[in-house]
Amino acid sequence: DAGVTQSPTHLIKTRGQHVTLRCSPISGHKSVSWYQQVLGQGPQFIFQYYEKEERGRGNFPDRFSARQFPNYSSELNVNALLLGDSALYLCASSLDATGPPGELFFGEGSRLTVL
Amino acid sequence: QKEVEQDPGPLSVPEGAIVSLNCTYSNSAFQYFMWYRQYSRKGPELLMYTYSSGNKEDGRFTAQVDKSSKYISLFIRDSQPSDSATYLCATRSGGSYIPTFGRGTSLIVHP
Repeated sequence: DAGVTQSPTHLIKTRGQHVTLRCSPISGHKSVSWYQQVLGQGPQFIFQYYEKEERGRGNFPDRFSARQFPNYSSELNVNALLLGDSALYLCASSLDATGPPGELFFGEGSRLTVL
Repeated sequence: QKEVEQDPGPLSVPEGAIVSLNCTYSNSAFQYFMWYRQYSRKGPELLMYTYSSGNKEDGRFTAQVDKSSKYISLFIRDSQPSDSATYLCATRSGGSYIPTFGRGTSLIVHP
């Protein structure tokens, strides 16, 4: 069975550009969460979606947005990129939005470098 | 003060050693406590989770939670070079499915 898949795995952008990151959850999982992990830090929560509705939002500026599609895949969009947006962006899927922590599965991440 | 504090290390130990990894947290509402392992350039994978205080054992790994002191520990017995990774502690309250992570401790087990 395929795990959580994310694309692209690596990308380089310049300041002011826009980026779209994509995530496909494990088959049957209806909830997707996005995290930002800066080098040397733990993952920071950005968004959680369940059944195409936003269920939670972390302390990130409005430049960050996301959506979930009918097939439960998800996109994370970041506008007007800043150097500080350079990080590993992780997607995690789970069966639902309130299950036990054992059901949270992470992808390998998309590594974004902003020059 | 961060909600979850964790020493970044690195912690370097010889193969076969007992490893102790620790975190402290500040929010009394946290009820679930997790340990994730993250290999270089990979996503985190859940190792263990516990609910409330107490110990939980799984093979060479033991998770321990002391809610009175807000202290979380992970013990690794007979450590192996394959255990070399970053270990992230995380907690969450009962009313939220969103965990709060520590910054992770880098562990190096040398042969």
